Amino acid sequence: QVQLQESGPGLVKPSQTLSLTCAVSGGSISSGNYYWSWIRQPPGKGLEWIGYIHYSGSAYFNPSLKSRVAMSVDTSNNQFSLRLVSVTAADTAVYFCARRLKVEHSFDFWGQGTLVTVSS
Amino acid sequence: DIVMTQSPLSLPVTPGEPASISCRSSQSLLHSDGNNYLDWYLQKPGQSPHLLIYLGSNRASGVPDRFSGSGSGTDFTLKISRVEAEDVGIYYCVQTLQAPTFGQGTKLEIK
Repeated sequence: QVQLQESGPGLVKPSQTLSLTCAVSGGSISSGNYYWSWIRQPPGKGLEWIGYIHYSGSAYFNPSLKSRVAMSVDTSNNQFSLRLVSVTAADTAVYFCARRLKVEHSFDFWGQGTLVTVSS
Repeated sequence: DIVMTQSPLSLPVTPGEPASISCRSSQSLLHSDGNNYLDWYLQKPGQSPHLLIYLGSNRASGVPDRFSGSGSGTDFTLKISRVEAEDVGIYYCVQTLQAPTFGQGTKLEIK
């Protein structure tokens, strides 16, 4: 059974960079059948797709966040990462990592999520 | 962006009764490969979302057969044949034809 686990600082100051890592276990991140994704949920609100990355390095981002987002894959440690620069309070959210199926496009496994608060 | 609109946003249901959630997209989700790129997820209280239905009508592994998805193009429906207490939570539709966008969510509660 695939498991995903997010990690990173729970508090980030405005204008700084949010950095999160998602560790994947129970399966290889280097499988060509998946994209590795980030999705977020502001407190009490709905879900917003941030982007996803293939182990080969090809990545796709939400147009509304594209200018501030970067993602990377670390195949040696079976994990992938998110960087979001110039954060504001509007970036306060629970951040989920998830596995996206390449063919069906569905997000079939999710991490438990990690709350990141942007505040001075 | 493709805009996803769900209704109703709140759905009180008596256990054992059926329930239905509608999801409409601002553009057709029917691809030339014949698939509708529309999924349904349930987010139970305090949990991450989990996949219920993919490609419009396919039940994900382990999902009870009381859940079914239907529709094509721009109009989709999630049906629960007999609601159980464990079905409470927020249901989201999401289109994955283009950059994924989620519906606002429908909160199902037990009467």
